[in-house]
Amino acid sequence: AQTVTQSQPEMSVQEAETVTLSCTYDTSENNYYLFWYKQPPSRQMILVIRQEAYKQQNATENRFSVNFQKAAKSFSLKISDSQLGDTAMYFCAFMKQVPGGSEKLVFGKGTKLTVNP
Amino acid sequence: NAGVTQTPKFQVLKTGQSMTLQCAQDMNHNSMYWYRQDPGMGLRLIYYSASEGTTDKGEVPNGYNVSRLNKREFSLRLESAAPSQTSVYFCASSEGPYRLTEAFFGQGTRLTVV
Repeated sequence: AQTVTQSQPEMSVQEAETVTLSCTYDTSENNYYLFWYKQPPSRQMILVIRQEAYKQQNATENRFSVNFQKAAKSFSLKISDSQLGDTAMYFCAFMKQVPGGSEKLVFGKGTKLTVNP
Repeated sequence: NAGVTQTPKFQVLKTGQSMTLQCAQDMNHNSMYWYRQDPGMGLRLIYYSASEGTTDKGEVPNGYNVSRLNKREFSLRLESAAPSQTSVYFCASSEGPYRLTEAFFGQGTRLTVV
């Protein structure tokens, strides 16, 4: 079974500073996707960034970037120049193909990030 | 621009009552999912579906049934609700098949079983 582990239940950072959220996963697959989702107090799930496993280059979206280490099965999220609006739960997620054509998407338990003024 | 729509947004049930959570997507996606979210547990997969008429069990299927009546709709049924099923439920969809792309989520349903 695929598992996704986020070892930091809570983190805090000062506004304008940089923070890194950790994620490790366990799989024997070679083709899969990894995601970071953000869930603000509104409860809406918002995609932050995604990474295809076959791509060696780390994904970047503005202030958000990942450090994807395939051999180590590690997928950390770096938030630069943290803003108050970044305060949210962050979930790491893993998606793979399963027999029959469906995709299976599993999540870690989340990291609650607080950005302090 | 509806995306994924879940109904209802809030529900209170008495133990033993039944109800169906509805989910519909208008993005022509093939794959659909149901999750429950509990404090400290993240999102746990209940059931997922690759296409109309096909469903698969996720991590926590006990106490739930699902129906994928057509491509757009994927419903979750609680036959006899229990307090342990108090949770926030999310429906999601992704493109599929054989295309690993991001999932889009509904707004969630907060269910309380008393």
